[in-house]
This record gives sequence, C-alpha cells and structure tokens, in this order.
Amino acid sequence: GAVVSQHPSRVICKSGTSVKIECRSLDFQATTMFWYRQFPKQSLMLMATSNEGSKATYEQGVEKDKFLINHASLTLSTLTVTSAHPEDSSFYICSARDRGGMRDTQYFGPGTRLTVL
Amino acid sequence: RKEVEQDPGPFNVPEGATVAFNCTYSNSASQSFFWYRQDCRKEPKLLMSVYSSGNEDGRFTAQLNRASQYISLLIRDSKLSDSATYLCVVNINAGKSTFGDGTTLTVKP
Repeated sequence: GAVVSQHPSRVICKSGTSVKIECRSLDFQATTMFWYRQFPKQSLMLMATSNEGSKATYEQGVEKDKFLINHASLTLSTLTVTSAHPEDSSFYICSARDRGGMRDTQYFGPGTRLTVL
Repeated sequence: RKEVEQDPGPFNVPEGATVAFNCTYSNSASQSFFWYRQDCRKEPKLLMSVYSSGNEDGRFTAQLNRASQYISLLIRDSKLSDSATYLCVVNINAGKSTFGDGTTLTVKP
C-alpha cells in the first residue's frame, strides 16, 4: 500500500515551546491530508483537514492559532503545536488521502508521540 | 448519539475461534466504509474496505447493510497475531473519516 511518513516519531519538549510535525506522502500526491490526535485508550479525533494550497479546515473545538497547519505541496503537510502545554501531550497522527487507486483511501503516518513537560 | 458506534470490548477468544464485530453509523449519506486495525501505540492500518456486496480477504469477511446502517467484520480461525483494536471507519464526504472508538480483541493460546 501507499506510504506516509511522519517526523519526528517522538518529541519531548518544555512547556511554552513550539513543535513542528511533518507528514509526507512518499509515493502518491495527496491534495488532502488529515491531522488526528489520540489520547490513551481513546479513539482518533480529527483535528483538521489540510488542503494543498488553501487554508486548513479545523474541527469544532480545535484552536487554529494553536495548531498551525501548512500544506505547501502535494506531498507535505506540517502541523505546528505552538506554545505547547502538558495537556497537549498526545499521539498525533496524520493521514493522506489517495484518490488514485480503485478506492478513495486514507493512509496513516506512523504517528508522533508528543510529551510536554 | 455517536456518529459511529462499535461493539463494546474487550473480546477475549481462544486461538481458532470465530469472532464478529458490528458497527453502526448514524448518517445515511455515508459513502464508504472501512475496517482498520491498530496495534498498541501504533498508527491505524487499513485492514479492508467494505463493499455493498460484501467482501472477503482470507480469514476476514466484511459486510455492509445500508438499510440498517451497520457494517460487520468476521474473523475466522483467530490467530494470536489478530490481537489488536479494530476500528470501524465511515466516510461521509470529501474523504473526511469518522472513527468508532474501536473494539479490542485478545486472542489467547
């Protein structure tokens, strides 16, 4: 299947710093990427939809000024957690939408585990 | 009511058992359906798409009932490696996916 990479896989930072997470589709072009957050023993919660060349669409309750999304190319979307706080500690997962195959399918990156001290 | 609801877990079964998961969705405009599996502390991986006519992939069978708005996943001859959380995923439009909370399966020797 298609491959989506995410970097970094794990990050530990101090409260108040900003963290950038990259999501890349390696073998297909993704006009749409999605950012999810997953807390322990909970389901994935969609944070925002990232569209190449336009502004991201945020889900209700997600602060767009805190979670900055940039989708500058067809293979790269970035999520920046600004002024991170301990409650932002979570597993952040991106997915990229592949519309080139028989089925409109999402492929997930391996996730980034963020720990804010 | 949640948009996507799954059987509460966990399911604990012996090797070789047959186990079935159900998932209901509330939006009748839902267009596509998937089962993903997620191992502990890993990202979800696509297990199989769910087609209207039902589809089978080895030991796994998925079915869709649009009238009743539910999908199912049947696993035959369970293996230890099948232990994971199974996520029901529904797409309504523009590829935006809604995930169920997942059902945890533990297959024991």
